[in-house]
Amino acid sequence: RKEVEQDPGPFNVPEGATVAFNCTYSNSASQSFFWYRQDCRKEPKLLMSVYSSGNEDGRFTAQLNRASQYISLLIRDSKLSDSATYLCVVNTRYGGATNKLIFGTGTLLAVQP
Amino acid sequence: EAQVTQNPRYLITVTGKKLTVTCSQNMNHEYMSWYRQDPGLGLRQIYYSMNVEVTDKGDVPEGYKVSRKEKRNFPLILESPSPNQTSLYFCASRPAGTRGYEQYFGPGTRLTVT
Repeated sequence: RKEVEQDPGPFNVPEGATVAFNCTYSNSASQSFFWYRQDCRKEPKLLMSVYSSGNEDGRFTAQLNRASQYISLLIRDSKLSDSATYLCVVNTRYGGATNKLIFGTGTLLAVQP
Repeated sequence: EAQVTQNPRYLITVTGKKLTVTCSQNMNHEYMSWYRQDPGLGLRQIYYSMNVEVTDKGDVPEGYKVSRKEKRNFPLILESPSPNQTSLYFCASRPAGTRGYEQYFGPGTRLTVT
């Protein structure tokens, strides 16, 4: 089983739609959580961190459920420019002081005009 | 401008011909990593370095070497490339000890080994 699992998609949605991505992680020692965005053939870039209380940044809302080991990203009023792959990323401590970022394989979003 | 740079961006080579991919960051970050990205497998860490002269294996280190002689540079060396090392490679850096753990990625190097 992968440490971080995401639905690969693709999610094809019309402009203006609301779309939700889900992610599960297997290591209960995971400490911090993120969503990264990756445009085709480009480098990943941080979209937002995910906090236990849930957090919002404009049209984007991230939620964390530690009990279920589940992370979500909600995008409201989708724009064409939101088309990208969204990576769920989990930071886990593996003994000592070593922290490691584990990347999900990503969910592809295609927003259609 | 704060950035991570990689060179070359594209490389086609033949099996067995040693190559080096350079990585440099201008943010004074302690922590640097190399990843490879393959379809269906996501980003996998090859090697990482927590500071100068401190390097360690990631999840897929076989066939790769790294060095960290200066804080800003973290080259990836393929001593004898093979076709299964054909991939998209990313270098990344971040400050040590930050809970935010935002990693800054280089633009990527697309390597083809024939």
